[in-house]
Amino acid sequence: DVKVTQSSRYLVKRTGEKVFLECVQDMDHENMFWYRQDPGLGLRLIYFSYDVKMKEKGDIPEGYSVSREKKERFSLILESASTNQTSMYLCASSSSIRGLGVEQFFGPGTRLTVL
Amino acid sequence: QQQVKQSPQSLIVQKGGIPIINCAYENTAFDYFPWYQQFPGKGPALLIAIRPDVSEKKEGRFTISFNKSAKQFSLHIMDSQPGDSATYFCAATDNAGNMLTFGGGTRLMVKP
Repeated sequence: DVKVTQSSRYLVKRTGEKVFLECVQDMDHENMFWYRQDPGLGLRLIYFSYDVKMKEKGDIPEGYSVSREKKERFSLILESASTNQTSMYLCASSSSIRGLGVEQFFGPGTRLTVL
Repeated sequence: QQQVKQSPQSLIVQKGGIPIINCAYENTAFDYFPWYQQFPGKGPALLIAIRPDVSEKKEGRFTISFNKSAKQFSLHIMDSQPGDSATYFCAATDNAGNMLTFGGGTRLMVKP
């Protein structure tokens, strides 16, 4: 059974704290993604990575950074958390092999609250 | 600016009804249109997908209708069940294939 796991289901942090969200996939996928999910706005891409140590900005990268030191692990970092970063964060992975299509496999999400 | 617009934002139907969720896109380079289903406490999961060379695709009770000239596509759920209550996202991607652009989501409730 394919799996994307996220380090925390719920997280409460204070404004200005540095926050790390971890994601691990066991499917040997090349691509990994971080989204945030807000009501009415759908899933918005923050960053993605198509290989180890490679990263590309998505639609809303401001206030975030990422790290991919190993193929299976993709971390999202909030350098200085702010209240407007309170949201659900979803990690996903996909294969880069075209014949397999573009299905993305999602983790269960981390609900982050910044006070 | 959302490149994929989804409506309605929420929908309530009775068991056995046929909820319809609509999506419209702008980018003519999009060539793959998946729908994802998300249950509470879970991440989204691929439900059904279509490419623009067909106008309809059916998998079980779920059907995608696609109108290339209007740049619109929709999800129909036949004989809906309370277990179909979930949030549904349409999405689109171009032939590069790795990036998905998601619609805003529709929260569906099917009443018993």
